[in-house]
Amino acid sequence: DQQVKQNSPSLSVQEGRISILNCDYTNSMFDYFLWYKKYPAEGPTFLISISSIKDKNEDGRFTVFLNKSAKHLSLHIVPSQPGDSAVYFCAASPGSSNTGKLIFGQGTTLQVKP
Amino acid sequence: EPEVTQTPSHQVTQMGQEVILRCVPISNHLYFYWYRQILGQKVEFLVSFYNNEISEKSEIFDDQFSVERPDGSNFTLKIRSTKLEDSAMYFCASSTRLAGVWDEQFFGPGTRLTVL
Repeated sequence: DQQVKQNSPSLSVQEGRISILNCDYTNSMFDYFLWYKKYPAEGPTFLISISSIKDKNEDGRFTVFLNKSAKHLSLHIVPSQPGDSAVYFCAASPGSSNTGKLIFGQGTTLQVKP
Repeated sequence: EPEVTQTPSHQVTQMGQEVILRCVPISNHLYFYWYRQILGQKVEFLVSFYNNEISEKSEIFDDQFSVERPDGSNFTLKIRSTKLEDSAMYFCASSTRLAGVWDEQFFGPGTRLTVL
């Protein structure tokens, strides 16, 4: 099941710079997308979401962009901080679903260097 | 801030034994989920639960698995006869849905299940 793909297993950026994490999906029925952050030995923590009726959603340092035609979304973190170092998961759900089931990508490990 | 809690944090069991993983979802949430993450792999959906019944389950969720909401606060996942390949981190999650729009799912810290 490769409906949600994060092709970069890892990313390293310098503190203060921009981090860009990418996610691709194949199912055109997905219309609700989320980003979660996960630290070791903890559960995923919600970061930001976007509905398919939008192409951008911003919350503080985090911005998610959605390109429906390309079936691609990205998470921008500006400026990056060492505390942002974690695994980032992209997740998708058919918004019309009655269950709210989420389908996750493989995750991207972000390392922010001081 | 309300949170999802899970017990135990780590469960070690022998192959073929039954295990019950427990979760307390956020109190005003109505939708409950179990996911699992095998080491090094992605987080996988197992089952969703609403109004005291399963609303969707994955192909992983076979007859060995069951879920229950035995009272107003707990949500449990039972594996009847554990297999080595059931070793994973199991996450419980809960959410709401307002006016047909899903809210984000809140995840618990997980239970690490080790089957020997």
